[in-house]
Amino acid sequence: DSGVTQTPKHLITATGQRVTLRCSPRSGDLSVYWYQQSLDQGLQFLIQYYNGEERAKGNILERFSAQQFPDLHSELNLSSLELGDSALYFCASSVEVGGAWYNEQFFGPGTRLTVL
Amino acid sequence: AQTVTQSQPEMSVQEAETVTLSCTYDTSESNYYLFWYKQPPSRQMILVIRQEAYKQQNATENRFSVNFQKAAKSFSLKISDSQLGDTAMYFCAFMKRGGNQFYFGTGTSLTVIP
Repeated sequence: DSGVTQTPKHLITATGQRVTLRCSPRSGDLSVYWYQQSLDQGLQFLIQYYNGEERAKGNILERFSAQQFPDLHSELNLSSLELGDSALYFCASSVEVGGAWYNEQFFGPGTRLTVL
Repeated sequence: AQTVTQSQPEMSVQEAETVTLSCTYDTSESNYYLFWYKQPPSRQMILVIRQEAYKQQNATENRFSVNFQKAAKSFSLKISDSQLGDTAMYFCAFMKRGGNQFYFGTGTSLTVIP
């Protein structure tokens, strides 16, 4: 158990709908990362938040958005869903020590999204 | 941009034998980290081993070791004394020093045969 929690575990919805995925980081971690894992693919970085502020953005579609709340949990919002959005969505968290060469990321169990 | 390539989509190994998973990468960065992650059927991403590019010595974690060839941009994972619990997807990943995102390969599905 990494200490990172994600809800829900599974989500089934229809095309055109909107869903929200939730992530609670490890206690003390200020950074949250979102990744998408499509079928037979590696994880693709979507976005990072640090202490409530967007820090980095990767291959995130305009239909997707995220935020990090004062209690440091994060939500990933996916709208106008398409069949191709079906994937595993992972959240990871890290302490993010300033100036550190490397901040280990701890992954949550993922949310499996199925768009029908 | 960084790219990570795993050219072996599937591999199998007999229990107690040794297997090597391949990974190549491309980057213009000089300081970076390389990783192998394991994803069992539970889907949890588990860090197996990490290598700092500035270290010449290959990283080792119990039955897992790497062969890091910086000039060739190659980073293979060797699993010794394979166990049934090693059955999983294995992802090679790259992160530049001070970076904040992983670049993952497409994975190798490893099956350990009893």
